[in-house]
Amino acid sequence: GENVEQHPSTLSVQEGDSAVIKCTYSDSASNYFPWYKQELGKRPQLIIDIRSNVGEKKDQRIAVTLNKTAKHFSLHITETQPEDSAVYFCAASFTGGGNKLTFGTGTQLKVEL
Amino acid sequence: NAGVTQTPKFQVLKTGQSMTLQCAQDMNHEYMSWYRQDPGMGLRLIHYSVGAGITDQGEVPNGYNVSRSTTEDFPLRLLSAAPSQTSVYFCASSYSSRLAEKLFFGSGTQLSVL
Repeated sequence: GENVEQHPSTLSVQEGDSAVIKCTYSDSASNYFPWYKQELGKRPQLIIDIRSNVGEKKDQRIAVTLNKTAKHFSLHITETQPEDSAVYFCAASFTGGGNKLTFGTGTQLKVEL
Repeated sequence: NAGVTQTPKFQVLKTGQSMTLQCAQDMNHEYMSWYRQDPGMGLRLIHYSVGAGITDQGEVPNGYNVSRSTTEDFPLRLLSAAPSQTSVYFCASSYSSRLAEKLFFGSGTQLSVL
């Protein structure tokens, strides 16, 4: 089955700096890559997703890039703010793969003032 | 719309007890799933369903049963609780039955097994 590795496990940045979280996946058939944000004590919420036919997608301060050849994808957050502090999860799945979304182990992002 | 509703929010069980975690959604989503979240291990899929009457196993199905008699409800049953099942459980649904796309999560159930 699919295996998703996520790095780093913790990340601390100064307010206004950029943050980058990286994930690798094992199954070359994977074609859907979402990112979820989970604030402390809350439910995970989708913040951005990308399909394999797209190399990059942006939504205001967040962007996701995908390198299918290397089987890795990354989340980029620019101009970080204190409210960006949360745990971020990457995930991967593929159409016809039994609808199984496999998550990474999460990155705790802390934005310091 | 309430979205995805999970009950209870907290539960303490003794080893060997059984219980059912409830999950209901009012978005007419075909796809529903159960995940458990443990520190340092991310979210792991327990069971999922692509429609009423259809269920399948995820990554960590042992010790859990599910059924899907209606589109709205997807309960998770713990048959004989074990301390290893202490975790936070999330139910999630999606409009897509082909792909676990744009999941909506419930607020979670924190379960402790003593």
